[in-house]
Parts: sequence; structure tokens; C-alpha cells
Amino acid sequence: DTGVSQNPRHKITKRGQNVTFRCDPISEHNRLYWYRQTLGQGPEFLTYFQNEAQLEKSRLLSDRFSAERPKGSFSTLEIQRTEQGDSAMYLCASSSRLAETYNEQFFGPGTRLTVL
Amino acid sequence: GQQLNQSPQSMFIQEGEDVSMNCTSSSIFNTWLWYKQDPGEGPVLLIALYKAGELTSNGRLTAQFGITRKDSFLNISASIPSDVGIYFCAGQESDGSSNTGKLIFGQGTTLQVKP
Repeated sequence: DTGVSQNPRHKITKRGQNVTFRCDPISEHNRLYWYRQTLGQGPEFLTYFQNEAQLEKSRLLSDRFSAERPKGSFSTLEIQRTEQGDSAMYLCASSSRLAETYNEQFFGPGTRLTVL
Repeated sequence: GQQLNQSPQSMFIQEGEDVSMNCTSSSIFNTWLWYKQDPGEGPVLLIALYKAGELTSNGRLTAQFGITRKDSFLNISASIPSDVGIYFCAGQESDGSSNTGKLIFGQGTTLQVKP
């Protein structure tokens, strides 16, 4: 029974470069979420998928950010032309298709991004 | 946008003491969740609450969904050193329609336990 996995765990990049993160949800979970967390703050919602459909996007998700879940399984989050303000922990979560528990989101370990 | 006010911001207690923290919102929530996060890791789900007035326990942890649906609290009894970490409340707004999927998080309560 594996949990949510994220790769890489850490990424250091130079300003202006593109980065891509991957998230593998818990098997059979049809909902997948992306959050961003900065130091001293709680996670902030970015976007979520139900199967392969992207159903909601936050205003935090600028046009430099794009997320995909092409086959309804793993997801990728890409940031183009990174800025120093993008430095944060990027968290992925998934939840079950069961109506009574679909609000229970289980988080991965996160990807720590540092933009120099 | 919607914010959750979580208090206290930090606590430093003696091992064996009980701990209480709470969260309030300006709007009605249909779900309250409590998470614990260790440094460099993702949040771990502790308790989920779905009904106003609901009181749920998970070992030494007890959480309640406030009657007004605008608040929740978490109690930890007989604290131990491994309780150290940051505790977050999270909730989902009641928007009268289908589930939006978005969780709103509080700012966190940092708990330190002295052996």
C-alpha cells in the first residue's frame, strides 16, 4: 500500500529556466490536487483533476504554470521561465472516488523548489 | 479570499500536558480536517469531520466540528515528544453546489514538547 509519491524531492534551478514535477497518486484515487506552500504558511490550492479533467484552477496559477494528467493517473506540474518568487514547496494530494471520503486528501512528501 | 484563523500560532508545553488549538472561518464549511506536518514532509491527515457538532477521536487526539459550522478545535491529551510538529486545520467551504475540491488551510500551530 503505497502513498502519494513526488519526484524530484528537491530542485534547484536558475531564474528563467523551466522545471517539471511529477506526482503519482494513491492507486484508484481519481482526484489529484496541487498545492504550494511557502515557509511559515499553510498550503495554498493551485488546481485539481478528476480523472484526466482539470476542474478548477486558482488565480495563483499564472500562465507560466501548467498542469496535466493525461491518462488520469500521474500528473505533472510545469513552471516556465521560473522566478525567484516561485521558490516554495509544491505538494500533491489525492483523494478517493468514494463520495463519503472524497474530501480526505492525502499528501505526498512534496518537491522543494529553489530558484536562484 | 477566504481565510482560516488558527490559534495559537505556537505552543511550548511540558510532556504529559494536554493541548488545545482551534480554527475559525468567516464562512460556513462543510468539512473540517486536521493535519500534522513534520519539517520537509507533506501534511499527514489526522482527523476528518463532516457534520456540525461531530466529535471524533483518533487515539489521544480529539476534534470537533463546531455547531455554527464556522469553527473546529483539536485537543491532544497527555502529550509526548513525538507530538512535536506543525498542526494545520483545513476546510472546504459550503458553496451550495457540488464539491469544489479546494481545501483552505490555516496558518498552522507549531507545537513543541519538552521532555
